Amino acid sequence: KQEVTQIPAALSVPEGENLVLNCSFTDSAIYNLQWFRQDPGKGLTSLLLIQSSQREQTSGRLNASLDKSSGRSTLYIAASQPGDSATYLCAVTGGATNKLIFGTGTLLAVQP
Amino acid sequence: DTAVSQTPKYLVTQMGNDKSIKCEQNLGHDTMYWYKQDSKKFLKIMFSYNNKELIINETVPNRFSPKSPDKAHLNLHINSLELGDSAVYFCASSPISGGGYEQFFGPGTRLTVL
Repeated sequence: KQEVTQIPAALSVPEGENLVLNCSFTDSAIYNLQWFRQDPGKGLTSLLLIQSSQREQTSGRLNASLDKSSGRSTLYIAASQPGDSATYLCAVTGGATNKLIFGTGTLLAVQP
Repeated sequence: DTAVSQTPKYLVTQMGNDKSIKCEQNLGHDTMYWYKQDSKKFLKIMFSYNNKELIINETVPNRFSPKSPDKAHLNLHINSLELGDSAVYFCASSPISGGGYEQFFGPGTRLTVL
């Protein structure tokens, strides 16, 4: 049974710092891994999608890496800004049904 | 706008009532999903339909019944609502059911059962 864990559960950093969020999964047989952002009381915004054959994806100040064999992914946020404050979720898909299995989330606070 | 939309955004109701949440996507996708986010913010799959056919039915009480009148709509009907049903329900869609395609999420429906 696939389990997804995110560390740390919460993180507070001063503005301008580079930071790394971690995601680990127990079953390496995945199709892809998605990183999402969720603002308080809001829906999910997809940030990056990494296919199982890829090692990383970049979008602006965000870079996500995937090491499928070790069951790990990281989301790197460069030059953090207060507007980056949100909960970050990773999720993996596998099997024929494409269902997403979500991690526990990391609550990020970027202090101005 | 092309998107996944849900109605209502907020739903407050009494225990024992029956309620429905509607979801529509105009992305031309074949597959739609319902996810539940509990009070601890943990998201979990409930159901999935591919072109109106049920393909995922996780361990969900049978008080929850999804209905897909066409591949652009997936509604969720909940009978005899309980306090524990209070959560945020998210609808999502993807182009097809397999192959690890990206999923696109609606804004969520916050259900509060009193």
